[in-house]
Amino acid sequence: EVQLVESGGGLVQPGGSLRLSCAASGFTFSSYWMSWVRQAPGKGLEWVANIKQDGSEKYYVDSVKGRFTISRDNAKNSLYLQMNSLRAEDTAVYYCARGGEFDIWGQGTMVTVSS
Amino acid sequence: EIVMTQSPATLSVSPGERATLSCRASQSVGNNLAWYRQKPGQAPRLLIYDASTRATGFPARFSGSGSGTEFTLTISSLQSEDFVVYYCQQYNNWPQTFGQGTKVEIK
Repeated sequence: EVQLVESGGGLVQPGGSLRLSCAASGFTFSSYWMSWVRQAPGKGLEWVANIKQDGSEKYYVDSVKGRFTISRDNAKNSLYLQMNSLRAEDTAVYYCARGGEFDIWGQGTMVTVSS
Repeated sequence: EIVMTQSPATLSVSPGERATLSCRASQSVGNNLAWYRQKPGQAPRLLIYDASTRATGFPARFSGSGSGTEFTLTISSLQSEDFVVYYCQQYNNWPQTFGQGTKVEIK
């Protein structure tokens, strides 16, 4: 079964850090661009970052540039999002998604930034 | 950044009737347009890609059309599971951007 499973979310204070992980299974992970997409409570979807198959290209939405870092480990079939200097407005469910058009999504992991 | 505008924000339709959802891009995205369906408490699911290609598992009552800046998602006969939220997304330019969503509710 093709599957993405996120982990690593939680409650963090403003200015803190979290590292999200996304474990892929059931497909050749190294063949796909991968992305992180987030959804604030009661709001719409926002693409956050993506990474090329070999990790050589990475792109970010302006609001997270310099604070978030996307990475991947193809040997472990895993995608990561290192989030630093977290702000209240980063509070959201974070999804990992496969490809350019997001044909597979994980179930999401909740990140809450609050004091 | 390309701005995606969906209309209407909420669409009230009776079961079995036809629903037409619109998505407009602030500049041309070619055919690089996807539609997603999101049920409450669940992740979005790809419904249409390349503007008109139905994703695996969705029946023929779902169809997508358009190119450039104007796109339409049509649901020919609404079933109970279709009364949820739909998002469009362009993947022609960085950053990839989503519309704000259309909620289809029971009339």
